[in-house]
Amino acid sequence: AQKITQTQPGMFVQEKEAVTLDCTYDTSDPSYGLFWYKQPSSGEMIFLIYQGSYDQQNATEGRYSLNFQKARKSANLVISASQLGDSAMYFCAMREIQGAQKLVFGQGTRLTINP
Amino acid sequence: DAGVIQSPRHEVTEMGQEVTLRCKPISGHNSLFWYRQTMMRGLELLIYFNNNVPIDDSGMPEDRFSAKMPNASFSTLKIQPSEPRDSAVYFCASSPLTSGTSLGETQYFGPGTRLLVL
Repeated sequence: AQKITQTQPGMFVQEKEAVTLDCTYDTSDPSYGLFWYKQPSSGEMIFLIYQGSYDQQNATEGRYSLNFQKARKSANLVISASQLGDSAMYFCAMREIQGAQKLVFGQGTRLTINP
Repeated sequence: DAGVIQSPRHEVTEMGQEVTLRCKPISGHNSLFWYRQTMMRGLELLIYFNNNVPIDDSGMPEDRFSAKMPNASFSTLKIQPSEPRDSAVYFCASSPLTSGTSLGETQYFGPGTRLLVL
């Protein structure tokens, strides 16, 4: 079974608009962590934001925030005021306590910001 | 600060040849991970090390793949013999995590090695 599901293969957004990238996950572990990474066309994987399953507040890092809905098992990434440089692949990933340090990645969403 | 360093950045080889990919983790990080990225399978963890010791190699595809970490600042991933289906981007990542109890330790990725096996 898919542990991480990103249902949007591609998204197109106008510059300066906010964008939400969807991520749902599947785990029976009560303790887990959720990560988002950005992969621009140059290929490197850039860490963006982290949310722990017991964190009371949604994580924020600059223009990135994580809309964490534990009961729905979703961890959507919100990018505010999008910029042309935000065009990239975005990956959601999860680490479970029972999985030790193993990160499991979703298939990714390709985000294109139009001028 | 230097990030994770991988070499070579690009490798083109012929089927049957041995391929060695190299990784230098971030100084002070004691966990090292090898991932493979393909269009079909996405990002997959191949193997990871804690304090130079292999912890989980369940993702290694087959005996043609082997990984070593002789010291804290160097790791290799070797494919022998290589096959066209091994063509992929191979990432090395490192993390400061020393135990499995901290979920929030971030893995920092290198730039990847793009491998093409003809």
